[in-house]
Amino acid sequence: DAKTTQPPSMDCAEGRAANLPCNHSTISGNEYVYWYRQIHSQGPQYIIHGLKNNETNEMASLIITEDRKSSTLILPHATLRDTAVYYCIVRALRLLNDYKLSFGAGTTVTVRA
Amino acid sequence: KAGVTQTPRYLIKTRGQQVTLSCSPISGHRSVSWYQQTPGQGLQFLFEYFSETQRNKGNFPGRFSGRQFSNSRSEMNVSTLELGDSALYLCASSPGGDTGELFFGEGSRLTVL
Repeated sequence: DAKTTQPPSMDCAEGRAANLPCNHSTISGNEYVYWYRQIHSQGPQYIIHGLKNNETNEMASLIITEDRKSSTLILPHATLRDTAVYYCIVRALRLLNDYKLSFGAGTTVTVRA
Repeated sequence: KAGVTQTPRYLIKTRGQQVTLSCSPISGHRSVSWYQQTPGQGLQFLFEYFSETQRNKGNFPGRFSGRQFSNSRSEMNVSTLELGDSALYLCASSPGGDTGELFFGEGSRLTVL
């Protein structure tokens, strides 16, 4: 699976949009971009995933650049409960039934009142 | 729909003992995977079971083993505990298919003294 690079930390004001970048310059054509988050002392929580089109669900939006070398997770209206470590990972289509998932260091997002 | 349930949430053992952790997946999910999370190593894949068969295995010693029952509930066992086995052990379930989406439990935090 391709490696990802994320900033180690970022702050966000409550009520504002949080834009979390992720670089995956070696991504292959059959690799999906996934985002998870982990709130302190809890298990990771799935947020969203995409292949090449932008995606939106009730939690967030995922914007993938046309060359697919980077993506941005957008939390439209951050709340204090969004404070967590956010992980960006890429996984090959052929491995979707192979759950050797591994997270990097992620981005620690702190939402401030 | 109930989420992934892991028991016990916390436990303390001493070196040389063995431990069994339990995971009940989301109803209807047939895939259960296990992960070890430590501050130094991050999230590491242990193994994955589907319909009572181990499909994938990570790079852990034979002291780490698991099984899955006909009702999809899974257990993992660690024998001859070492200090380095202290970690958060996470279980994730998945419906399978082509989404690769994982649903994690809250984890079992093991401390080895």
